[in-house]
Amino acid sequence: DGGITQSPKYLFRKEGQNVTLSCEQNLNHDAMYWYRQDPGQGLRLIYYSQIVNDFQKGDIAEGYSVSREKKESFPLTVTSAQKNPTAFYLCASSLDGIIAGELFFGEGSRLTVL
Amino acid sequence: DAKTTQPNSMESNEEEPVHLPCNHSTISGTDYIHWYRQLPSQGPEYVIHGLTSNVNNRMASLAIAEDRKSSTLILHRATLRDAAVYYCILKSNFGNEKLTFGTGTRLTIIP
Repeated sequence: DGGITQSPKYLFRKEGQNVTLSCEQNLNHDAMYWYRQDPGQGLRLIYYSQIVNDFQKGDIAEGYSVSREKKESFPLTVTSAQKNPTAFYLCASSLDGIIAGELFFGEGSRLTVL
Repeated sequence: DAKTTQPNSMESNEEEPVHLPCNHSTISGTDYIHWYRQLPSQGPEYVIHGLTSNVNNRMASLAIAEDRKSSTLILHRATLRDAAVYYCILKSNFGNEKLTFGTGTRLTIIP
């Protein structure tokens, strides 16, 4: 079945460690996104990519990094520079980053920093 | 970016229609109105979107005001599975991908 796969679903990290969250899609979508959600809050955009080898910062990019070497993959690294990394991370994709199409979301990765 | 305003929470009885409002008074001519919903501990799910005309699909209907400054998501017959947080967002047709999800409306369905 086509869709977006995020892994791991749950992740624990010690302070000072970098961690990479995986996001893979087999929908042949050009655009991919990373959002962060804190308890009781809406989603905030971290990074987005409209095409391979290109990405832009969202509203809260500090302390995060991404890459887009393949169309189907958009991994997110939470670095030690991120002050409050504990959150629910959501990856999404859309067919085209330009037209107003539907966003497809993964099931999320819950990161807890101990 | 144009912003949306939604009530924090709403309740509705099971098997009755639900009208979820959204205000977007600064909407631009190129902004589409999108609705998503999110169940607990899951990613959001697309519900419906529209530009000017009212829209219907198998999940819901979207009624858009003539001046486009507000819209209403209509669930025709609420079930317990419709209990979720509903987000109304604006998405430009010109590559502005900084989509802003507010805190949405938490819909509770009363059996």
